[in-house]
Amino acid sequence: NAGVTQTPKFQVLKTGQSMTLQCAQDMNHNSMYWYRQDPGMGLRLIYYSASEGTTDKGEVPNGYNVSRLNKREFSLRLESAAPSQTSVYFCASIQLAGSNEQFFGPGTRLTVL
Amino acid sequence: AQKITQTQPGMFVQEKEAVTLDCTYDTSDPSYGLFWYKQPSSGEMIFLIYQGSYDQQNATEGRYSLNFQKARKSANLVISASQLGDSAMYFCAMRDHTGGFKTIFGAGTRLFVKA
Repeated sequence: NAGVTQTPKFQVLKTGQSMTLQCAQDMNHNSMYWYRQDPGMGLRLIYYSASEGTTDKGEVPNGYNVSRLNKREFSLRLESAAPSQTSVYFCASIQLAGSNEQFFGPGTRLTVL
Repeated sequence: AQKITQTQPGMFVQEKEAVTLDCTYDTSDPSYGLFWYKQPSSGEMIFLIYQGSYDQQNATEGRYSLNFQKARKSANLVISASQLGDSAMYFCAMRDHTGGFKTIFGAGTRLFVKA
């Protein structure tokens, strides 16, 4: 039982490049989330998926797209990376009918030059 | 609209003393949950404690307790008998039924425990 996994752990991009951050959970959770955490700050919600087949914008969705590929996987795509997107990205999941705890992945540290 | 406020950017506490980290929230949903997470320097998010809006008693988990004052919309974290390993960032979070269990976080409080 790996919990929430994220790939890659680290990534450096040049301005304008695109990439996809992968997230998967093996806990059969319904809801999944993507957050970004800038230095010295809290987590800001980018997008979330309340259930398989649905996605919704969070607080800071601009510049990102998401795909809830199936119940396990929720990916975050940067189509044209900008230096302002340099951050640590966390994926998280919860099981609505069970524990109230939100389980987090280890994070992806992204630098855009 | 959902809102979480942590007004203490940094706090110092002497080892073995208790410390209170403040958190206020705002929501129009009568059903919501409040959470505290710890983030050590290694970066992972560690769940500490949960309080439901309909819970009659304040939540406790070991040395952590949540001082829930519903009328004031506050959910302060109390850490008793602080340890050096408690030095970390602490985040308050809230989840309600707005838009499908969206969870938002406060800006965090950095706690320093002094020996």
